[in-house]
Amino acid sequence: DTAVSQTPKYLVTQMGNDKSIKCEQNLGHDTMYWYKQDSKKFLKIMFSYNNKELIINETVPNRFSPKSPDKAHLNLHINSLELGDSAVYFCASSLHGGYTFGSGTRLTVV
Amino acid sequence: AQSVAQPEDQVNVAEGNPLTVKCTYSVSGNPYLFWYVQYPNRGLQFLLKYITGDNLVKGSYGFEAEFNKSQTSFHLKKPSALVSDSALYFCATNGAYNTDKLIFGTGTRLQVFP
Repeated sequence: DTAVSQTPKYLVTQMGNDKSIKCEQNLGHDTMYWYKQDSKKFLKIMFSYNNKELIINETVPNRFSPKSPDKAHLNLHINSLELGDSAVYFCASSLHGGYTFGSGTRLTVV
Repeated sequence: AQSVAQPEDQVNVAEGNPLTVKCTYSVSGNPYLFWYVQYPNRGLQFLLKYITGDNLVKGSYGFEAEFNKSQTSFHLKKPSALVSDSALYFCATNGAYNTDKLIFGTGTRLQVFP
């Protein structure tokens, strides 16, 4: 069983489109995150949710809207995609200082 | 602001030699520190973490890291490098007292030559 799973693994789309990335964790963790890894491999937090409530929003454009229907899921919806949104997006979850990451979604905007 | 720094973009080492990947931190209070590894086109895999206690932390795949408070460092080490250790290594902190988010360093690419 995959602990933190993201879908899709790859996503290629045109500028201006709207797309979603899904994340699910089966670890029973309370907190979930979205991280962005840019082309230089820098990793930066975007959002965190604790028990379905938004905790952190790191000055991400409001075209990005996370949604947490329950504490095991944290989805990321992106409106009006731009070229600069091309990156690898990682979902993660944590409990008591232990963090587990998904395998990433490589988003390419053309 | 809390941060970690990885001063080397790349570290090259011959197989069988010891390796060190450097990390320094800037955290007020007692830091929680982590090392993660990323293989090509893969996710982040946890190697080890320091919370408190023994300054030498042992982790996965034979890696260890030494917490040094006076030098504010948390260098990753391995006594004998393998070609398969070649990957991107990230140091990270979630600050002191287990705050919510992980803050990553810029990453160090480790290249182990046969």
